[in-house]
Amino acid sequence: KAGVTQTPRYLIKTRGQQVTLSCSPISGHRSVSWYQQTPGQGLQFLFEYFSETQRNKGNFPGRFSGRQFSNSRSEMNVSTLELGDSALYLCASSFMQGGQPQHFGDGTRLSIL
Amino acid sequence: DQQVKQNSPSLSVQEGRISILNCDYTNSMFDYFLWYKKYPAEGPTFLISISSIKDKNEDGRFTVFLNKSAKHLSLHIVPSQPGDSAVYFCAARTNAGGTSYGKLTFGQGTILTVHP
Repeated sequence: KAGVTQTPRYLIKTRGQQVTLSCSPISGHRSVSWYQQTPGQGLQFLFEYFSETQRNKGNFPGRFSGRQFSNSRSEMNVSTLELGDSALYLCASSFMQGGQPQHFGDGTRLSIL
Repeated sequence: DQQVKQNSPSLSVQEGRISILNCDYTNSMFDYFLWYKKYPAEGPTFLISISSIKDKNEDGRFTVFLNKSAKHLSLHIVPSQPGDSAVYFCAARTNAGGTSYGKLTFGQGTILTVHP
């Protein structure tokens, strides 16, 4: 059974640019959550999507947004990139909204120059 | 405001011995707790979980203990193996109701090294 797939694995951008990250959940899973991992703040919840609707949101600025498609695939977008956005972005899926455990992908490593 | 804390950044254990990883929390609304293991360049892998209505859950070599009065949980690995060397995260879900269940709050992680 295929796991959670995140693309791309690595990304380098410059300040002020925008970026889109993609996540394909485990087949049959309908909930997708996004997390940011940095050395200073650890793993922090960004948002959760279920049935194409954002169900829950963490404490991040509006530059961070996402969406979910009818096939449950999700994208996360960050606009006007800042140096502090350099992080590992992890996507996790579960069968239903709020379902546990969440299963994680290997992440996208985003570096801002 | 760190609601989930893993106060030991690292732990070193000999192969075959017990590894005990600790986690403290402050939010009394947490009702479900999970442990994840993470290898470099990989995402966290789910290990074991426990509901707040229980005080112990076992799965093979892994046992999680929950002490609600102390707001403390621990993960025991017996016997420890070199392949267990990784970063271990505890995480918690809040019982604030509604759509809050999808948010996990993580500790900072503990690096476990198991020596052969």
